[in-house]
Amino acid sequence: NAGVTQTPKFQVLKTGQSMTLQCAQDMNHEYMSWYRQDPGMGLRLIHYSVGAGITDQGEVPNGYNVSRSTTEDFPLRLLSAAPSQTSVYFCASSRRKFSMGPGGFGNTIYFGEGSWLTVV
Amino acid sequence: AQRVTQPEKLLSVFKGAPVELKCNYSYSGSPELFWYVQYSRQRLQLLLRHISRESIKGFTADLNKGETSFHLKKPFAQEEDSAMYYCALYNQGGKLIFGQGTELSVKP
Repeated sequence: NAGVTQTPKFQVLKTGQSMTLQCAQDMNHEYMSWYRQDPGMGLRLIHYSVGAGITDQGEVPNGYNVSRSTTEDFPLRLLSAAPSQTSVYFCASSRRKFSMGPGGFGNTIYFGEGSWLTVV
Repeated sequence: AQRVTQPEKLLSVFKGAPVELKCNYSYSGSPELFWYVQYSRQRLQLLLRHISRESIKGFTADLNKGETSFHLKKPFAQEEDSAMYYCALYNQGGKLIFGQGTELSVKP
């Protein structure tokens, strides 16, 4: 059971290049989401998905695209990278109704290890 | 609007001193609140969630609906507690909303 796996861990891009951050989970979680982490701003939600075929925008969606063709995968695409997208990106997943079920740490939101992206 | 506020960017204490990291929230429904911890360049780890009242590493937090607060406390700080701490609110729409984070520095 690998949990949430993100790749790549580090990436340097030139302005205008495109790339995809991969996120996969093996826990059959319905919910998946992408966050970016910037100093002094905490984690901000980019896009999220409540199930295969369904995606929605978070707080800072501009410049990013997502798709959810399978339950397991939730890739984040940067179509034309900009220096403002230099950040640390985290993918997360959870069961749909984790808060309605019994308590316990197994019934919660899991994060990937993060992807450090630098756009020059 | 749903919002989580952590007013302190940095909290510095000496080893053995009590610690309180502040978190205030705004949410119209019944909140599901969490504290996450992030050690240097690692993934976020769940520290505690209010609904289960479980915790690890000696931290506790009580939900105060009247003051809309969920402050994190530990009676005696340890050097290994130095990390970034995030308060987060989960809404039933599937969004987990984070505060700005507080960096805790525990000095020897």
